[in-house]
Amino acid sequence: DTGVSQDPRHKITKRGQNVTFRCDPISEHNRLYWYRQTLGQGPEFLTYFQNEAQLEKSRLLSDRFSAERPKGSFSTLEIQRTEQGDSAMYLCASSHFSNSLAANYGYTFGSGTRLTVV
Amino acid sequence: SQQGEEDPQALSIQEGENATMNCSYKTSINNLQWYRQNSGRGLVHLILIRSNEREKHSGRLRVTLDTSKKSSSLLITASRAADTASYFCATDRANAGKSTFGDGTTLTVKP
Repeated sequence: DTGVSQDPRHKITKRGQNVTFRCDPISEHNRLYWYRQTLGQGPEFLTYFQNEAQLEKSRLLSDRFSAERPKGSFSTLEIQRTEQGDSAMYLCASSHFSNSLAANYGYTFGSGTRLTVV
Repeated sequence: SQQGEEDPQALSIQEGENATMNCSYKTSINNLQWYRQNSGRGLVHLILIRSNEREKHSGRLRVTLDTSKKSSSLLITASRAADTASYFCATDRANAGKSTFGDGTTLTVKP
């Protein structure tokens, strides 16, 4: 397993277009997370899945954003009708969460997808 | 608002010196983690410390946790130019399901 993969690495799109990003997590991990990061800031939580179930969505995730994780494997994050304010690095991470211990063991992040909306 | 806040925002030291970064948080946590991020890259997990632990070591890294003060520190000993990066703390609250990150400390190690 080579870690968490994100595709594409960079995306430039015109305002109003739709974009979709993909994340392939570490196969043994049961949780997958999406974060957004702007310059000089820490990652901001967007949403996360446990297996195929989307368990939480941030208020930051407007109705233009949708995330899926079919069959509990890879995940996609789609942004519809992009706006310049959507320009950011979109980070995917996966982790193993122990339900019995209710404990996280730390995230493995992908390299991110940098979105620029022009 | 972010749960964790790192201090200082920026730190510049000479190679060989020690670097200390601090993180303060607001609510009770299950664990606290430290991550490193090189410019334009994803974050790399460094160390996780649970709420019932006070200190952990990993190579040149030492992390302490004081739950009474709701604070943690990351010490990097004998720093190297390759340690130049941003360092973030992240906290997991009970039943929160995800980690909440601070805005990081930018460390510059001059050769």
